[in-house]
This record gives sequence, C-alpha cells and structure tokens, in this order.
Amino acid sequence: DQQVKQNSPSLSVQEGRISILNCDYTNSMFDYFLWYKKYPAEGPTFLISISSIKDKNEDGRFTVFLNKSAKHLSLHIVPSQPGDSAVYFCAASPELTNAGGTSYGKLTFGQGTILTVHP
Amino acid sequence: EAGVTQFPSHSVIEKGQTVTLRCDPISGHDNLYWYRRVMGKEIKFLLHFVKESKQDESGMPNNRFLAERTGGTYSTLKVQPAELEDSGVYFCASSQDESPDVTDTQYFGPGTRLTVL
Repeated sequence: DQQVKQNSPSLSVQEGRISILNCDYTNSMFDYFLWYKKYPAEGPTFLISISSIKDKNEDGRFTVFLNKSAKHLSLHIVPSQPGDSAVYFCAASPELTNAGGTSYGKLTFGQGTILTVHP
Repeated sequence: EAGVTQFPSHSVIEKGQTVTLRCDPISGHDNLYWYRRVMGKEIKFLLHFVKESKQDESGMPNNRFLAERTGGTYSTLKVQPAELEDSGVYFCASSQDESPDVTDTQYFGPGTRLTVL
C-alpha cells in the first residue's frame, strides 16, 4: 500500500518554462512534506519543505503548494534550468516529537519523477 | 563539513553470502536513518537510530537484516544470508536535533548499490 504517490514517472520541459511536479498522499497522519532532488550516483538532496499549517512555501525558483483537503502537493520550478534535470522525490512525515520537543521522523517517499530540462 | 559517507559504494555478492554496509553520519548528528531503494521504485525506510538506540525499526524486512550503531557514531547494516530480493541501493541519512519548532532535515549519503546474484 503506497502512501505517497508520484503518478508521473517523467516530465520534459523547455529551459525557461515552468516545471510542475505533482504528488498525492493517503495517510492523514502526515503533517510535514518535503521534496528531494537526486542526481545519478548521488544521494537525495533536500530541496524544500512545507508544514501542514501552511499552503505555500517559496524558496527562490522553487515553490511548494499543499492542498490538505485534496491530499495533494506540487513543486513548481520557475524558470527551469538544464541543471534542474534530476529525479525529484516527494516525501512525507508525521510530525513526531521526542522528549525534548524536537520534531523528527521517518520519511515516506514517492517513486520519483525524472525531470529533463532541455536547453 | 564532511557529509554523510557510505562504504562500499558498490557490492556484488552471491546469494547466501554475508555483506556489511557502513554509514558515517555527519559529525554531531544524533539521528541516523537507513533507507533502501529497490529497482527504481520508491525509497523505503528501514530503521532509525537516536544515538546508539533503535528508535524505530518497523521497516526492517526480516531477521536477515541486522543494524548496529555502537557508541552512537557510525552504523553498520549486515545482511546475512543475502537473497536476490535484497538487491538495491541502500541509503543512510543523518540529522541533528534542531530547535523544538523546526523539523530536522535529513542529509543523505551517496548510497551503497548492492547486487545479489
């Protein structure tokens, strides 16, 4: 039972245009959502995150939108650059806290979407 | 600052053999996670250490997998005996306890590609 789904295995975009990557989840316990980027032969690199109390978070060219009622989030990259070509993983986590009040927890990932940005 | 390192980068073994993977987290990071990606599918959680203690091992597939983190520094993941379905890329990630209002970021290593023949 896959709790985080990225239904588009791949996406091809022209340089300078907008890239929109989508992700759906089913577990209502998820409160924290992340996007990771992965280049070949490297580990995933954290890109941007959003807490369930927000519906939008922006960092430079990257914006993540969260629609809790639809259990859907998306990553917008604008303008897209050839260096953005990579596999993008959506991930989710319940906001667990330890005795010290710090939040942490295991990540549940989607299958990934291969983004190709053409010059 | 050095990132998360993993050794070896690749391992090819035969079914029934034993393999031990190693992860060195970022210095000072108390949280250490193991994940696995099989055949281009999703990255799946295996387990989570807080210092030397296992916080959550709900993702461990079966008792052929043994993870340790003696002294709360580096961690090892042993597969004994290895089966064909254990093939995949094993990632390690670490994070530090940040402020109570901030969810800590997990930093991933490059992974170990395990092939069981």
